[in-house]
Amino acid sequence: SQQGEEDPQALSIQEGENATMNCSYKTSINNLQWYRQNSGRGLVHLILIRSNEREKHSGRLRVTLDTSKKSSSLLITASRAADTASYFCAPQNTGFQKLVFGTGTRLLVSP
Amino acid sequence: NAGVMQNPRHLVRRRGQEARLRCSPMKGHSHVYWYRQLPEEGLKFMVYLQKENIIDESGMPKERFSAEFPKEGPSILRIQQVVRGDSAAYFCASSDGQGRETQYFGPGTRLLVL
Repeated sequence: SQQGEEDPQALSIQEGENATMNCSYKTSINNLQWYRQNSGRGLVHLILIRSNEREKHSGRLRVTLDTSKKSSSLLITASRAADTASYFCAPQNTGFQKLVFGTGTRLLVSP
Repeated sequence: NAGVMQNPRHLVRRRGQEARLRCSPMKGHSHVYWYRQLPEEGLKFMVYLQKENIIDESGMPKERFSAEFPKEGPSILRIQQVVRGDSAAYFCASSDGQGRETQYFGPGTRLLVL
């Protein structure tokens, strides 16, 4: 397994704006997952995108994957204060392996 | 379908005592992972277990830490002779091992060593 590196480390926006965070990794993958962690809570799984997919949507979330650049992005549209959290990506090169997390992107959405 | 359960949610121990953290995976899940999170850091993998087997313990400290996932009952992470540096949030995750790789996380146990 391998570690994803999220960028930026911190992001501050106003409610209603879009938030984009990026993830880079180093070797080939089977899938890449995005998780959210609210302060003091456990991680919540947001979305999984497989290596043969380029884009995936879930509600206000849009994830893209570019395997040639070894990067992924998470877009949150029309952000809300409740989206304030840390966001982590976790690339996997085979299933059922441990997830290796970076330090995440800390998103602050102000009302 | 209940999610991943962890207990206790908060645990206070004095240096030298033992800490036992429990994790009940989601119903039907046979894969359990333990992670540790220090303040202001990301989660660090500790150990991966299937029923009665340790699959990957590459993240476990060599001493004082052990984990099990018996045929019946929850997974247990055991820390003997705790030290202040063990203070952290410990998260358990589970997956179903049926080709779906998503790991579902519990709420965590916050261990404070005095």
